[in-house]
Amino acid sequence: QSVLTQPPSASGTPGQRVTISCSGSSSNVENYYVYWYQHFPGTAPKLLIYNNNQRPSGVPDRFSGSKSGTSASLAISGLRSEEEADYYCAAWDGSLSAALFGGGTKLTVL
Amino acid sequence: QVQLVESGGGVVQPGRSLRLSCAASGFSFSNHVIHWVRQAPGKGLEWVALISYDGTSYYYADSVKGRFTISRDNSKNTLYLQMSSLTIEDTALYYCARAPYTSSWSPYFDYWGQGTLVTVSS
Repeated sequence: QSVLTQPPSASGTPGQRVTISCSGSSSNVENYYVYWYQHFPGTAPKLLIYNNNQRPSGVPDRFSGSKSGTSASLAISGLRSEEEADYYCAAWDGSLSAALFGGGTKLTVL
Repeated sequence: QVQLVESGGGVVQPGRSLRLSCAASGFSFSNHVIHWVRQAPGKGLEWVALISYDGTSYYYADSVKGRFTISRDNSKNTLYLQMSSLTIEDTALYYCARAPYTSSWSPYFDYWGQGTLVTVSS
């Protein structure tokens, strides 16, 4: 059971907008930046969102991040089939003095 | 270009030790916090450890604390992970990942290696 809670799965059709949630606590999400990664197993994960809502260069603006209190979300609009992957949130936990990943959400493009 | 190349993985018996390396190139290695992250078969990403730019500060996941030691040699642009008392639960693909900052511990990774596979099996 991860400290950062994500839904294990999400799905959408091409062109749709999907959101993935990440629920934490005041020790992590509420008081520290949240990061989002896209991962195809066996390859290097890719940073999608940093500092809650900032996109690295090269990441399409169809990807957006937000945070409110102890929860954060990743939204993907205009969903594409190649975006079928695992998505992880991450944050520092000040109480544990450790970095945390959420359990991951497997996104299926129907 | 920035490159991180892990090595040292392999098959090891439970209770034994193994040392992983991560060779960095294409950037000023001594200016960055570096982390280890792993993924067990069929499981999600798990943060393992981090080390400060100068090697004087480090943090570990509870699952490896007391068994794993992270270190770095800035003169060789290399990160290490000494793993001891290995268990089957340590079987995973181990990635090193670079943070863009000198002093933040955040799990903000802008570059990753391709990983090295550690299999703990009798």
